[in-house]
Amino acid sequence: AQSVTQPDIHITVSEGASLELRCNYSYGATPYLFWYVQSPGQGLQLLLKYFSGDTLVQGIKGFEAEFKRSQSSFNLRKPSVHWSDAAEYFCAVDALNTGNQFYFGTGTSLTVIP
Amino acid sequence: EPEVTQTPSHQVTQMGQEVILRCVPISNHLYFYWYRQILGQKVEFLVSFYNNEISEKSEIFDDRFSVERPDGSNFTLKIRSTKLEDSAMYFCASRALGAGNQPQHFGDGTRLSIL
Repeated sequence: AQSVTQPDIHITVSEGASLELRCNYSYGATPYLFWYVQSPGQGLQLLLKYFSGDTLVQGIKGFEAEFKRSQSSFNLRKPSVHWSDAAEYFCAVDALNTGNQFYFGTGTSLTVIP
Repeated sequence: EPEVTQTPSHQVTQMGQEVILRCVPISNHLYFYWYRQILGQKVEFLVSFYNNEISEKSEIFDDRFSVERPDGSNFTLKIRSTKLEDSAMYFCASRALGAGNQPQHFGDGTRLSIL
């Protein structure tokens, strides 16, 4: 079965610094990959998605992610972090079965310090 | 932009009672999902629903759980004989046709507290 690993439970960065959140997946074929953000007490908001084609995908709020098949990774990046980016970030992979449900990683909590 | 809406935002229920969580998916979506998130843990898949039937379910979705789309707009999750360990945030999601190429859109969740 597909699975997603987010190795970093918690990351702290200074405002204005660059950010990279790691995501590794296990799946035999080309996966459908997603990044979501969750602010405290809120639902999940889609940041970006990858299905095929260009391996560098752009999302909302200045985020981008790069699909690397050789490393089974889909890392999320942002060149300059804003205080409002503090949240929980989840990587997800589509099960690509009859239900097309998502399998989520355990999440990475981002703290931004001024 | 269309949204998935969930009610109530917070539900408190006595252990052993039944609870119904309600969701209104985005109107032209055809795939519907329930997920749960125990406090501090990852989001876990419960069930997917398409064409008025369950298409996939996880081990969490035991015989105490059921889903229904009673009319053209609502999608409900019922939990009978609730247990303390059912306490979690429950998220509803919906997805357009062509599911593999479409993201899921999530509601803000219902926080279920079992006492």
